[in-house]
Amino acid sequence: NAGVTQTPKFQVLKTGQSMTLQCAQDMNHEYMSWYRQDPGMGLRLIHYSVGAGITDQGEVPNGYNVSRSTTEDFPLRLLSAAPSQTSVYFCASSYQRQGAGGYTFGSGTRLTVV
Amino acid sequence: KQEVTQIPAALSVPEGENLVLNCSFTDSAIYNLQWFRQDPGKGLTSLLLIQSSQREQTSGRLNASLDKSSGRSTLYIAASQPGDSATYLCAVYTGANSKLTFGKGITLSVRP
Repeated sequence: NAGVTQTPKFQVLKTGQSMTLQCAQDMNHEYMSWYRQDPGMGLRLIHYSVGAGITDQGEVPNGYNVSRSTTEDFPLRLLSAAPSQTSVYFCASSYQRQGAGGYTFGSGTRLTVV
Repeated sequence: KQEVTQIPAALSVPEGENLVLNCSFTDSAIYNLQWFRQDPGKGLTSLLLIQSSQREQTSGRLNASLDKSSGRSTLYIAASQPGDSATYLCAVYTGANSKLTFGKGITLSVRP
């Protein structure tokens, strides 16, 4: 099993550009989420989904958009990139809504906005 | 609001030492607690998952304990090796907003 796959691994954007960070899992997990990791701030939840067609906001949703059309995929869209969105982005999934099975994380996307 | 604290932020030890990494959380109403390892520039690798009804979990040289009532967990690493050098993160799941709340991690350096 590949687990949670994130692409791209690295990306440089100019301020104002848009892009989509891809996340796919092959474990048939219901629950998927996006976190960002910043020095001194730890990991913070951006958006999450408890199943196909259902998404909700986390702690820091502004400037990001998500959709969940299939169980496997949960892309994160940056609408108009800002330098404050420079960060490392992680996608995670879990097979139970209560997270009882624990979470599996992808390897991350390192994004720089200039 | 759930808060997770890991102290100290960094730790350096000689090879072969037995280590205890501490994690504390403010709200004891958790479903589970998970310990992760993160190598520089890499993703998070799950080490151990402890359900709220469990007291401890073991995997190889790692043992994690959970005292929910006091809001504490410890990760015990036996006979540390240079390959154990990494950042160790603990995270709790309370079900609120379906999110994990993370500590800021302990960066461990094991000297040969």
